[in-house]
Amino acid sequence: GAVVSQHPSWVICKSGTSVKIECRSLDFQATTMFWYRQFPKQSLMLMATSNEGSKATYEQGVEKDKFLINHASLTLSTLTVTSAHPEDSSFYICSARQNYNQPQHFGDGTRLSIL
Amino acid sequence: LAKITQPISMDSYEGQEVNITCSHNNIATNDYITWYQQFPSQGPRFIIQGYKTKVTNEVASLFIPADRKSSTLSLPRVSLSDTAVYYCLVGDMEYGNKLVFGAGTILRVKS
Repeated sequence: GAVVSQHPSWVICKSGTSVKIECRSLDFQATTMFWYRQFPKQSLMLMATSNEGSKATYEQGVEKDKFLINHASLTLSTLTVTSAHPEDSSFYICSARQNYNQPQHFGDGTRLSIL
Repeated sequence: LAKITQPISMDSYEGQEVNITCSHNNIATNDYITWYQQFPSQGPRFIIQGYKTKVTNEVASLFIPADRKSSTLSLPRVSLSDTAVYYCLVGDMEYGNKLVFGAGTILRVKS
């Protein structure tokens, strides 16, 4: 149980393109979803927290207009990287949590490469 | 948020028990301790979570002393496939449960 699916797993696109990443909780309803990014050989950095039906809460230094997060249902959250540039290339990982006393379960990440 | 300290790396051999200790001196009353495992190019995988004393599941044990200022993840009889990065996280179980990932411990299991 507690499976989180992320799609796509890998994307390459040109600079200036907007890219949408989906995160789905397959066998549970997620009241809260989280988005992280991870650079090579570094740890995960939390970008934002989203609760279903509410606006996402962004961490300091993360541009909310650059990284649009939508959590429209209890099983789906999306991250859109708008007008992506090479410096946005990274490994993006989502996680989902059923309720406050349950651990976060992570997707397998999306490798984003901007040319 | 609690400051986390764990070893940067550890080496072990197949079949050995591995204990990874994490220090979290300023853990708060509402904080739980959670351990994750991450393989390259994959998302972290939940291993175990606890609040105090000892927790055991099918893959690991978590030992937490009474003062909760540290915790030890115990992996029995590791195999080569246990080579990964192990993260110790401390988070508030109330609103948000925001987890802050530290550098983690790189565990290398050798044959």
